[in-house]
Amino acid sequence: GEDVEQSLFLSVREGDSSVINCTYTDSSSTYLYWYKQEPGAGLQLLTYIFSNMDMKQDQRLTVLLNKKDKHLSLRIADTQTGDSAIYFCAGNSGYALNFGKGTSLLVTP
Amino acid sequence: KAGVTQTPRYLIKTRGQQVTLSCSPISGHRSVSWYQQTPGQGLQFLFEYFSETQRNKGNFPGRFSGRQFSNSRSEMNVSTLELGDSALYLCASSLLSGQGDEKLFFGSGTQLSVL
Repeated sequence: GEDVEQSLFLSVREGDSSVINCTYTDSSSTYLYWYKQEPGAGLQLLTYIFSNMDMKQDQRLTVLLNKKDKHLSLRIADTQTGDSAIYFCAGNSGYALNFGKGTSLLVTP
Repeated sequence: KAGVTQTPRYLIKTRGQQVTLSCSPISGHRSVSWYQQTPGQGLQFLFEYFSETQRNKGNFPGRFSGRQFSNSRSEMNVSTLELGDSALYLCASSLLSGQGDEKLFFGSGTQLSVL
């Protein structure tokens, strides 16, 4: 299996950028994903990146992948209060995804 | 297009009982996966089904089982419930399976409480 580590908590002010970091130990994942979970809800796929890419941008979201350091990050530009949620990174492993424990993002006005 | 539907939304059971959870995937999706989410362990993979066949199973005891029907709907069953089985059980479906770019679409989950 793959260990995926994330910091547990991040607090930012509305309008600032948020950067959520993730490290993983197994480099065999071909795809890496970011999911968002709001209270009482399931996981929503935000974006994903193929392992041979360095960066992917999707509107306010930017994913950076440093495969050498096994480091993945998610940058949210112009963070809004509606972005407050738990963010999970995950890597594919066969037919399953290995998830980190999640980073709780709090956006304050 | 309807999303992944899980029923029931909440369940309360007592130790020793058994429970069956249901999942209807997005129309056209043939792969269904189940995950257990707890505050302590996070999200853990239970099993994955594709075309009615279990193709992968996580590290859970045999009390946890599942199946998939010909219409891709899936059920999971937990027998002889233990307090530690209290969790949010999430079902996810995907269009392609085993191709690497598994975009999993999750339901809202079934919150199981074992008393």
